[in-house]
This record gives sequence, C-alpha cells and structure tokens, in this order.
Amino acid sequence: EVQLVESGGGLVQPGGSLRLSCAASGFTFSDYYLDWVRQAPGKGLEWVGRIRNKANSYTTEYAASVKGRFTLSRDDSKNSVYLQMNSLKTEDTAVYYCTRSTSSGISVADYWGQGTLVTVSS
Amino acid sequence: DIQMTQAPSSLSASVGDRVTITCRASQGIRNDLGWYQQKPGKAPKRLIYAASSLQSGVPSRFSGSGSGTEFTLTISSLQPEDFATYYCLRHNTYPFTFGPGTKVDIK
Repeated sequence: EVQLVESGGGLVQPGGSLRLSCAASGFTFSDYYLDWVRQAPGKGLEWVGRIRNKANSYTTEYAASVKGRFTLSRDDSKNSVYLQMNSLKTEDTAVYYCTRSTSSGISVADYWGQGTLVTVSS
Repeated sequence: DIQMTQAPSSLSASVGDRVTITCRASQGIRNDLGWYQQKPGKAPKRLIYAASSLQSGVPSRFSGSGSGTEFTLTISSLQPEDFATYYCLRHNTYPFTFGPGTKVDIK
C-alpha cells in the first residue's frame, strides 16, 4: 500500500524557518518525482514545488511565491523528501501535502499524504 | 503562467443528478490535466488523469473529457458520498496550476 506521511509542521514566527519531512512506503521511492502542494485555511490548492529523481539529477522546480525561500531535497536511502522553508511569511500558513508523480509526466499527484499544518504568526 | 478557470464555483444538486464541471485553460495544455475530489479536513483524491483516464478504484460514474483548453468532469449519477469540492490541475508546464475549485453540495 502506497503511503506518504508528512511531519514537521507547527507554529513559527514570521522570518523563521521550518523543515517538513515526508516519509514514503509501499512503492519504489527512487523512481518517482515528489511534489508538494499547500492549502491555506479555507482556500484552494497551490502547487509549491517538485523534486525529480536521480535519473533526472534531482533537479527541482518551484512556484514563484516560494522560489528563493524554499528548498526541496530527498534521501532515497531513507525514502524521504524534505521541504526546507526559510524567511517564512504569514501567507505561507497552510496545510502542506506531499504527493508522488511518475517521471513520464502522465501521472501527477496520484497519492497524497494526510498533510501537516504550518502556521506562521507572531 | 497558464491560468485555469473552473465553472461553476459552486452548485447544489440532488442524489441521482448528472453533474458537469468545466475547467478552461488560458492556452492549450494538450491533455495534461487531472481532476481531484476533496472532502473537508481530508487530503485531495485523484479521480481522473490525462484528462479522461479513470484512476484505479474510482467509480465509473466519474468521467473526464476534453483536450487543449476545455475540459469537463462529469458525475453521471450523484451519490451522497460525492458531495465535496472538485479541483482540476494542469501540469504541462511549470508552475503547475489548480483551478479555483467547484463545491458540490446538497440541494
């Protein structure tokens, strides 16, 4: 069974940092791309970023709203992906979801984690 | 960036109704589109990928169609468990973008 489990959310002050983790199981993690999606309270879904697999040099893509502040990384030996969030703003308050996608580009975000809540507030 | 619009933003329907939701892209996106269902407090669940392919395990009353700039999600006979918010996601170029969502509630 495919599982994605996010952790690391919490309350942080504006300008602070937080690192989210996503632990995967039930599939060959190293084959897949990982995408993060967030949802502000009462709002719609926003794609945050993607990290590709080793075959594609672990390259990354980011939404303009987080580029330069957020960094994606992964550790295939631990079946985990990480979202390092720096210079956090109040508008980054959201539930953050980890999703998986195939490298072919046909299948995007087929499985989702349960999400982890990040609250940026003073 | 390519923008996605969705219509309607909300609708009220009865069990057994046929429901159609439309997503439009500001420029052509081939068939690089998926549909997702989200219930309150839960993670989204993918229903359709590649515009018209049914996700494994999803009931056949859900179907998707379209290519280019206009896409539809159809629920042939609405069931009680289908009351939720539906989003489209286009993924042909970066940044990926979701539609604003369509909330389906009980009439």
